[in-house]
Amino acid sequence: DAKTTQPTSMDCAEGRAANLPCNHSTISGNEYVYWYRQIHSQGPQYIIHGLKNNETNEMASLIITEDRKSSTLILPHATLRDTAVYYCIVRVAGNQFYFGTGTSLTVIP
Amino acid sequence: GAVVSQHPSWVICKSGTSVKIECRSLDFQATTMFWYRQFPKQSLMLMATSNEGSKATYEQGVEKDKFLINHASLTLSTLTVTSAHPEDSSFYICSPARGTGGDQPQHFGDGTRLSIL
Repeated sequence: DAKTTQPTSMDCAEGRAANLPCNHSTISGNEYVYWYRQIHSQGPQYIIHGLKNNETNEMASLIITEDRKSSTLILPHATLRDTAVYYCIVRVAGNQFYFGTGTSLTVIP
Repeated sequence: GAVVSQHPSWVICKSGTSVKIECRSLDFQATTMFWYRQFPKQSLMLMATSNEGSKATYEQGVEKDKFLINHASLTLSTLTVTSAHPEDSSFYICSPARGTGGDQPQHFGDGTRLSIL
């Protein structure tokens, strides 16, 4: 079962940073936080993941709170192509992914 | 480049037909394959987990006799929807995984949209 809570939907102006929150208050010490997104009628696309430290790659930044009970995915300069459903998932390495309901992000021109 | 190839991407067939979906791991040997389905406006739901050479493990509520999974090789797994009915119409997605553990991200196929008339 999904162990994360995300807002159902969010809007973001094109060119601005999109900050997507995720609550995972019951996360275990060996569980990683993963972020994926799904554009309509496609499979989920990996964005970023982390355990304790903040992470950054070419797509996004992941900020994990010190107590690891929540995290925020940051898309620094949102474009129209970033409109998608974003899933925050916690899991033990190597185990299955259980998807929650995700956040539907709409980037507005 | 793509690491997962899923075929077909879209299929329409008559009720009662059996449909086979293929999933190939292009970049690594997949000792484990996860199969998901997604109904309109819903999230992905894990259906089953298969390990190469072993019987698949199905999630609660998923009929193993209806959704046959074959994982005979490290690069190919198939999902067969037997005697498909309209309620089986859905978006099916595979995800191969290495069996070595670790925190590597998993990749997903582009999905198969199945429509049963």
